[in-house]
Amino acid sequence: NAGVTQTPKFQVLKTGQSMTLQCAQDMNHNSMYWYRQDPGMGLRLIYYSASEGTTDKGEVPNGYNVSRLNKREFSLRLESAAPSQTSVYFCASLNDVTGGEGQYFGPGTRLLVL
Amino acid sequence: AQSVAQPEDQVNVAEGNPLTVKCTYSVSGNPYLFWYVQYPNRGLQFLLKYITGDNLVKGSYGFEAEFNKSQTSFHLKKPSALVSDSALYFCVMDSNYQLIWGAGTKLIIKP
Repeated sequence: NAGVTQTPKFQVLKTGQSMTLQCAQDMNHNSMYWYRQDPGMGLRLIYYSASEGTTDKGEVPNGYNVSRLNKREFSLRLESAAPSQTSVYFCASLNDVTGGEGQYFGPGTRLLVL
Repeated sequence: AQSVAQPEDQVNVAEGNPLTVKCTYSVSGNPYLFWYVQYPNRGLQFLLKYITGDNLVKGSYGFEAEFNKSQTSFHLKKPSALVSDSALYFCVMDSNYQLIWGAGTKLIIKP
């Protein structure tokens, strides 16, 4: 199993450009998540999807959109990038929070918005 | 309001000494609690979890955590620190399938 994969690993954008961060998991997990990590802030939840076909806002959803394309894939889109969105983005998946091993994380995407 | 606090930005420990990374939480009801670790330039890894039962939870790499309901704490511990334990540690609480993350504590183990 590849676990959780993310593409790209690094990206530089200019203010106003758009891009989509891709995430896929091959563990047949129901729930998927997008986080951003900023120094001293821990991880903050952007959006999550409890199951295929559903998405919900997290703590910091403004400026982002998501698509749960199927059970495997959960993408994050920045329609008009801003410097405040410079961060490291992590995708995660979860099978069962009570019986599982917590969330599985992808390697992260480092995004720089100039 | 539900929250997780890690009161120390950084903890310094000499190799071979015991270590503690502190975490307190605020929640209505019974919490599900986790510890994750992030090694430099790497992704996050699950260490251990508390759901119910024994207050002392054992996890990966020799770590353990003690759940204390009266003090609303879930401190991470290890009897003898290794230099390789140096990393960023996050305390996490589950609340209705959303995970609430602490800000993280940088653990530095000196030889």
